[in-house]
Amino acid sequence: QKEVEQDPGPLSVPEGAIVSLNCTYSNSAFQYFMWYRQYSRKGPELLMYTYSSGNKEDGRFTAQVDKSSKYISLFIRDSQPSDSATYLCAMKTGGFKTIFGAGTRLFVKA
Amino acid sequence: GAGVSQSPSNKVTEKGKDVELRCDPISGHTALYWYRQSLGQGLEFLIYFQGNSAPDKSGLPSDRFSAERTGGSVSTLTIQRTQQEDSAVYLCASSAYNTEAFFGQGTRLTVV
Repeated sequence: QKEVEQDPGPLSVPEGAIVSLNCTYSNSAFQYFMWYRQYSRKGPELLMYTYSSGNKEDGRFTAQVDKSSKYISLFIRDSQPSDSATYLCAMKTGGFKTIFGAGTRLFVKA
Repeated sequence: GAGVSQSPSNKVTEKGKDVELRCDPISGHTALYWYRQSLGQGLEFLIYFQGNSAPDKSGLPSDRFSAERTGGSVSTLTIQRTQQEDSAVYLCASSAYNTEAFFGQGTRLTVV
């Protein structure tokens, strides 16, 4: 079993929809949680970074961490075609090593 | 440099040849990671360096794959006797203590 599980998709939604992307994990020691966005033919870039449980909002994006369930989510409101990308979750216990999910491909149709 | 630099950006090689992929991490970042993304596949972990040592090599798919890092900086991923299934984008990332990982733009390897 992988430490971090992420549904690869693809996920296809109409423009304006609310998108929910999720990851589950097995290591209860993870404390730092991240979401990366990767456009086609580009390297992943950090989108959201949260510590421990709770919510963090940035514009149309909300990151949610539920440590009791070992479950993290990224919500995208009013999705746009420009949000079409691969979204990767990542987490770490602290220190250096980061563990990544495999990524979910999202398509937002105009 | 300001970001993680990978070279070459594209590489076409003949089956059976050896290739070397280079990663130049952000200055001061002691952690370095190599990943692979095959067409339509997810991100696949290959190897993690802490300084010059590699405490986790568990993702290297076969003994044709090796990586080294010298001076706590530049890393080279070597693939010997390349096969067509090695065709993928190879991504490098680096991080400092308690920071997020920063990725390079990747090397697109095509084995023909």
